[in-house]
Amino acid sequence: DVQMTQSPSSLSASVGDTVTISCRASRSVSTSVNWYFQREGRAPQVLIYAASTLQSGAPSTFIGSGSGTSFTLTISSLQPDDFGTYFCQQTHEVPSTFGQGTRLEI
Amino acid sequence: EEQLVQSGDETRKPGESLRISCEAFEYSFTSYWIGWVRQTPGEGLEWIGMIYPHDSNTIYNPTFQGQASISADKSISTAYLHWGSLRASDSGIYYCVRPYYYDSGTYYFNLWGQGSLVTVSS
Repeated sequence: DVQMTQSPSSLSASVGDTVTISCRASRSVSTSVNWYFQREGRAPQVLIYAASTLQSGAPSTFIGSGSGTSFTLTISSLQPDDFGTYFCQQTHEVPSTFGQGTRLEI
Repeated sequence: EEQLVQSGDETRKPGESLRISCEAFEYSFTSYWIGWVRQTPGEGLEWIGMIYPHDSNTIYNPTFQGQASISADKSISTAYLHWGSLRASDSGIYYCVRPYYYDSGTYYFNLWGQGSLVTVSS
């Protein structure tokens, strides 16, 4: 299976900050990477798909980039609603696999 | 509004069977794949598999194949995840998901159920 390794596993930041989360694939997954956000007790929701395409309705403060094995999610101008856990996912190969998550805390 | 509504939380003993469900609302159930994802503190999010209700074509994560099975009933727009003999390691939150294919073979999950907590303990 393709291993998706996220870093950091946790991150502390303040409202208004800009943060970057990384996701590295164990082999090339082209641009078949999605990013999700999960609040405590809720289901994840997609933010970015195809590595860099912003999901309809997601704030433009979320920017995804990368291809091959290296991907990043940058969140600018952090808002209180942005604090939670972020996951990357590859859908290039079966089975699809997720990163272990990055917990973003105030 | 399109949504996936899952059955409630369940507690079972090891060796018991269980079926959880996911009912689809406000979209054509047979036009989309539908699948399951498990979340646990130790393993995080894991893709279990998906089914295409139109023809019941199913794909599984080899890790889960043989332990859990996916089915669907087109007549009531409902997908199921079934275990014949539960193990403690099957405990977790199970989400049903609908993939949206934006390119050949590649997709993202644009619709999630609310989650069903399965606890397997003696």
